[in-house]
This record gives sequence, structure tokens and C-alpha cells, in this order.
Amino acid sequence: KQEVTQIPAALSVPEGENLVLNCSFTDSAIYNLQWFRQDPGKGLTSLLLIQSSQREQTSGRLNASLDKSSGRSTLYIAASQPGDSATYLCAVRQRTSGTYKYIFGTGTRLKVLA
Amino acid sequence: EPEVTQTPSHQVTQMGQEVILRCVPISNHLYFYWYRQILGQKVEFLVSFYNNEISEKSEIFDDQFSVERPDGSNFTLKIRSTKLEDSAMYFCASSPSGYEQYFGPGTRLTVT
Repeated sequence: KQEVTQIPAALSVPEGENLVLNCSFTDSAIYNLQWFRQDPGKGLTSLLLIQSSQREQTSGRLNASLDKSSGRSTLYIAASQPGDSATYLCAVRQRTSGTYKYIFGTGTRLKVLA
Repeated sequence: EPEVTQTPSHQVTQMGQEVILRCVPISNHLYFYWYRQILGQKVEFLVSFYNNEISEKSEIFDDQFSVERPDGSNFTLKIRSTKLEDSAMYFCASSPSGYEQYFGPGTRLTVT
């Protein structure tokens, strides 16, 4: 059974720091991995999607990498800003028993201090 | 910029009642999804819908749940007989291609 784990569960950093959020998954048979941002009481905003054949994706100050063989993905945030404060979720898309599943991690709560 | 909308933002219902959660996906998107997030827990996939039929569903999506696209713009999730454990935030999402998904703000369902 696929398990998606995110470390750390919470992170507090001063503004301007570069930081790395980690996502690990136990079954490497995934179709893609997606990083989301969730603001309190709000929906999910897609940040980056990495197909299983890709190694990384970049968007602005965000860079996500994927190492399928080791079951890991990292989200790198450069020059963090207070507006980056949110919960960051990773999710893997996987097919088991003929059904696709989107399995989410528990998230990392990020607080960037001004 | 187009966005997914959901109504109502908060729904309170009594156990055993039927509820319908409504979503308006982004126009010209072809794939539609429902997820839920019980307070303090992970986001869980419920169902995906394409070409007017369910394409994928999770173990959570049992006979109490159904989805429908009654017209060209709405996508609904119906829970026939709500239980206390159905209390959660329900998110709708849509996608143009089946890969990147765009989420709505969610409907908070409270079953009393």
C-alpha cells in the first residue's frame, strides 16, 4: 500500500532563506507527482507537476525534483517570502487494481517570518 | 483568470439527510474530480469523471456517493444518507488534460 510522507511536518524560517521540503513514497510505480499549496480554509493550488519520466520541474522560485527509484521528491523554494507561508502538499498518482489513485501526504506547514 | 467555484461554502445537515455539493469547473476542461479532507487528516481522492462517466474511484466512494454533470457547466457530488463521518471539506477539481488539476475553494460539510 502506497504511503506518502512529508518531512518536516512544520517549518519556520526567516524571510530570504532558501529551503527544502521533502516528500517520500513507498511504491515507485507512480504516474506523476504533484506539489500543491494550501492556504488556511482554502482549496489547493497546483505548484508543479512532474511526470514519472522527468527529473525536475521549475516555476519561478520553485524547483521540484523527482527520484522515482529512491521514492523521493523535494520542493526547493528560493529566497522565501512571508507570502510563501502555507501548507505544502505532495501527491502521487498511481494505478492499483485497475483504479487510479491520487495519494496525498500530510503536508508541511511553512511559516516565513518577516 | 478562470477558476473552479463551489457552492455552498458551508453546508450543515442532519445525519441521514441527502446533500448535494455543487461545483462549476473551468470552462473547456474535460476531467473532473472530487476530493475530501477530514479535519486534521490527509486530502483523499474520491472520484474522477470524464466523458460523462466515472473513470476512476477510490474505496471511499461507495454506494452512498454519486456524481453527475447535469448540464454543460455544473458537476455535483451527492451523498444519499449522510453519516457523522462524512463531515469534511470537499474539494472539486478540473483539468484540461487529466494531469494538472485546478482546485476549487471547497465546501465544508458538517453532519450533526
